[in-house]
Amino acid sequence: AQSVTQLDSQVPVFEEAPVELRCNYSSSVSVYLFWYVQYPNQGLQLLLKYLSGSTLVKGINGFEAEFNKSQTSFHLRKPSVHISDTAEYFCAVSGRGNDYKLSFGAGTTVTVRA
Amino acid sequence: GAGVSQSPSNKVTEKGKDVELRCDPISGHTALYWYRQSLGQGLEFLIYFQGNSAPDKSGLPSDRFSAERTGGSVSTLTIQRTQQEDSAVYLCASSLVGTGGTGTQYFGPGTRLLVL
Repeated sequence: AQSVTQLDSQVPVFEEAPVELRCNYSSSVSVYLFWYVQYPNQGLQLLLKYLSGSTLVKGINGFEAEFNKSQTSFHLRKPSVHISDTAEYFCAVSGRGNDYKLSFGAGTTVTVRA
Repeated sequence: GAGVSQSPSNKVTEKGKDVELRCDPISGHTALYWYRQSLGQGLEFLIYFQGNSAPDKSGLPSDRFSAERTGGSVSTLTIQRTQQEDSAVYLCASSLVGTGGTGTQYFGPGTRLLVL
């Protein structure tokens, strides 16, 4: 089984400042890693995913994340945020093979202020 | 349609009543998932369908919950004798590849269930 810990429940940030959302996972097997974003009153949208290969993954809306196997982390970053990035962000993990279920972290609420 | 659709978008019911939630996956997607998002529990996996295989029901919280997928497409999640703790947003997702987590799961907008 896998589990995910998102280390920050809320992150306030000023517009055009950088932001980092921290995610650590626990698993006894190799995993796939995902970041999803949920805008108010909407469903989940995939930002980016790590399946294999390069540990630096680029996603939509200028987000990127780095997979660090030794630290079991998958932190999400954006160098300059916009007001429209205000949302809740979820880190998720699934196993490989037949372990398809996504296990989600508790979420990080990002509030961008002018 | 272009994405996963769910209906109704909102449902208010009285304790003890049965409810049915519907999910229309992306056309051609072989895998379909139900998750629940609640304040106390976060996002939880409920059930998974893949093709003609038996569904994985390991996430269903009680025998009051059931789901079916007809014709490999539309799915219905049924909650019998609803309780107040069933209040949550129920999310459906579908993917083209069901095993191994390699297929991106695309989520619907959810059904917000409130049990009074």
